[in-house]
Amino acid sequence: DQQVKQNSPSLSVQEGRISILNCDYTNSMFDYFLWYKKYPAEGPTFLISISSIKDKNEDGRFTVFLNKSAKHLSLHIVPSQPGDSAVYFCAAARGNQGAQKLVFGQGTRLTINP
Amino acid sequence: KAGVTQTPRYLIKTRGQQVTLSCSPISGHRSVSWYQQTPGQGLQFLFEYFSETQRNKGNFPGRFSGRQFSNSRSEMNVSTLELGDSALYLCASSLGVPYLNSPLHFGNGTRLTVT
Repeated sequence: DQQVKQNSPSLSVQEGRISILNCDYTNSMFDYFLWYKKYPAEGPTFLISISSIKDKNEDGRFTVFLNKSAKHLSLHIVPSQPGDSAVYFCAAARGNQGAQKLVFGQGTRLTINP
Repeated sequence: KAGVTQTPRYLIKTRGQQVTLSCSPISGHRSVSWYQQTPGQGLQFLFEYFSETQRNKGNFPGRFSGRQFSNSRSEMNVSTLELGDSALYLCASSLGVPYLNSPLHFGNGTRLTVT
């Protein structure tokens, strides 16, 4: 049972444009969501998070949007840069278990073309 | 500040053997979690330790076990290895405070190959 789904295995975007990565979840008990970026041969790197009391969180070029009624979150990267090419994972957690027990999506490979 | 350190980076074992992986968390982090990454299943939670106690556990068989020491360093053990245990094993540390401002910081993983 895939509780967190990233339906696009890959995404290709031109440098300078907006990259939008999507994630859906099924468990309404999730109340904390995170995005991680992963380069080959490295562990995932934390990017940005959002709790369910908010619908938007911004950090520089990265913005995460949360639509609780649709059980959907998205990561916007503006403007996209070549160094953003990586695999992006969304993850979810239940508050009473903390962010130490994350449920991850399958990942989306983002390629930024010059 | 040094990041999460995992040793060894690569390991090759034979079916039936056992293996121990090591993880040193970021200084000051008291929670250590372990994840298994495979192409088919993605990243899956194994277990989490906080102050030497297992606080959370995923859906893995009893062959997978772990422990945490008083200095927060952690080890993960897999006994009676199976071919399907071939994976990237990731360790992550955090302050351990339930979710608020305490994201996981991952190491670069140990690549285990079982032949």
